[in-house]
This record gives sequence, structure tokens and C-alpha cells, in this order.
Amino acid sequence: NAGVMQNPRHLVRRRGQEARLRCSPMKGHSHVYWYRQLPEEGLKFMVYLQKENIIDESGMPKERFSAEFPKEGPSILRIQQVVRGDSAAYFCASSPPVRLAGASGNEQFFGPGTRLTVL
Amino acid sequence: GQSLEQPSEVTAVEGAIVQINCTYQTSGFYGLSWYQQHDGGAPTFLSYNALDGLEETGRFSSFLSRSDSYGYLLLQELQMKDSASYFCAVESQDTGFQKLVFGTGTRLLVSP
Repeated sequence: NAGVMQNPRHLVRRRGQEARLRCSPMKGHSHVYWYRQLPEEGLKFMVYLQKENIIDESGMPKERFSAEFPKEGPSILRIQQVVRGDSAAYFCASSPPVRLAGASGNEQFFGPGTRLTVL
Repeated sequence: GQSLEQPSEVTAVEGAIVQINCTYQTSGFYGLSWYQQHDGGAPTFLSYNALDGLEETGRFSSFLSRSDSYGYLLLQELQMKDSASYFCAVESQDTGFQKLVFGTGTRLLVSP
């Protein structure tokens, strides 16, 4: 049972280019979350999506950033006109459609992350 | 808004017991989770508390006091592989259910 998959694992872009990050959730999971992590810092929530819907994008910068989770295919986090400050690790996580009873709460399963470097 | 506070770093020796504290401020608290992250790796779920008390999972235990807005992660019989960052994360009505807000993390260094 494959876990959360992200690609690419490493992405290098020059200032002004576009970065496109992909995330395939675990099989059977319909909730996807994107987080950003700067070195030596915690995970900052960016956006929460379900299939074809953005549920909460309160952590997304208002400009240049967008996310989607289409009916078919992976979730995409898109950063337009990247700047050096966008350099970070971007993690995707997924959770099942029904909150499981028991001890795990809203357990989220994380992908390996995409390390974005902006030159 | 919400805020979570954790110590930035904790050091311990192999075989010891260490406690990592987390205090939080939020409205409509629902649950507190703990995640482990090794350098360069992905966060992995460790434990979750919605009710007061202790939850035990092998060498790791997590405690919650809702009245004190406080929780901790207890790691016993420390091993070198436990060297990692540990994050508490809160889920609440304030943050929007399903969404997790993470603390800044505690770096645990285990020495021989």
C-alpha cells in the first residue's frame, strides 16, 4: 500500500520561473494538506483540499500561490514567479475521508516532501 | 489565534527518559497530536490525545491536561535513533477541524 507520493523530490528554479509541485495521496484518502517548512522551523499550514474543492486556504499567500486537487490526478501546488524567499521544503499530507474512531484523531500521513531551491 | 510553545532543544543520554512539553492557546480545543521528524525526512504520527490523561504506545506516551492547556510527550528507554525533532500539533474549532497547527518543534539529541 503506497504511501503519500510527492514529486519532484528536489526542484531548482530561477527567480521569476514557475514551480509546480505534485502530491498523490494515499489510496482511499480524499483529504490533502500542504505545508511549508523553512530550515530549523516548524510546519506552516498552507491549504486543505478535498477532491475538486479548496476547503481552507488561510495559510496560502494571497499572490503567486495556488493549489488544486482535481477529480483525477494528483494535487498540485503552483508557485508563480518564484522568489528566493520561496525556498523551503513543501510537504503534502493526506487523511481518510471519514474520521476514524479511536486514538488517532486526524492522523495525517506525510509525503517525503519537495525541496524547492530558488536561485 | 492559536499558539503552541515547546522547548527548542532537549538533550539526553541513551536509556534515559525525557519529557517534551507543549502548551497551547486556542478556542474550541479538540485534540493534541505529536509527530516525529528526522533530519531530511517526513513527519510521522506518534500519538494523539483528545481527553485528559495518558496514552501509551510502546516506549512513547503522551499526556494531556485540557484544563491547563498543556500536554507532553514522554520517551522512555531512549535510543540513538530517537534523535529527531518532535512537534506538537493542535486541532480545534478555532483552527478549523481537520487542519493541524504545529508548534515550532523540539530538537532531541540523544548521546551515547
